[in-house]
Amino acid sequence: QVQLQQSGPGLVKPSQTLSLTCVISGDNVSSSSTTWNWIRQSPSRGLEWLGRTYYRSKWHYDYAVSVRSRLIINADTSKNQFSLQLNSVTPEDRAVYYCARVVTYVGVFDPWGQGTLVTVSS
Amino acid sequence: DIGMTQSPDSLAVSLGERATINCKSSQSVLLSSNNKNYLTWYQQKPGQPPKLLIYWASTRESGVPDRFSGSGSGTDFTLTISSLQAEDVAVYYCQQYYSTPYTFGQGTKLEIK
Repeated sequence: QVQLQQSGPGLVKPSQTLSLTCVISGDNVSSSSTTWNWIRQSPSRGLEWLGRTYYRSKWHYDYAVSVRSRLIINADTSKNQFSLQLNSVTPEDRAVYYCARVVTYVGVFDPWGQGTLVTVSS
Repeated sequence: DIGMTQSPDSLAVSLGERATINCKSSQSVLLSSNNKNYLTWYQQKPGQPPKLLIYWASTRESGVPDRFSGSGSGTDFTLTISSLQAEDVAVYYCQQYYSTPYTFGQGTKLEIK
């Protein structure tokens, strides 16, 4: 059974960097049949897909336009995990952040991490 | 981007009655080469991540009770709960995975009348 365990701070200061990690068990971050995604949820924006990474002979990255200039997603094969770094955060970035797997022949988000509520405040 | 619009925003149904939630996409999510609709439904309860219910618009995920069913094609889709149970109180979301950016409906809050 695949499980995703998120970690990272719940409070970030404005203009600083939000960093979250998602540790994978039961699957491999380098799998050629999956993608690894970050999604956030807030009352104002609902569920919003942020971006993904996946390995197909090399690493690929796709980002939502809304965060493209501020977001970096990385994979760490030695720890079987992937991460999110969102730079220059503002109070608008307050949300619950989720990591999630997509198995490409099915295409849906399953499973999800447990979620991390991130607040942006000084 | 493909816009997803659900209706209604909230719904109150009596126990044992049918609940119907609609989802409309701004463009077709049907891929003609494989005749599959890239549309999924999730259920979310407070404090939990969304849970996969239905994919390919009508395929029930393993373990999901058969009172949940999905239908529709192209741009118009429906999630039906045939006989509402107390544990079905939740927010339901549709999502398209036809193209990135993946997009979600705004959610439908289902309550007991």
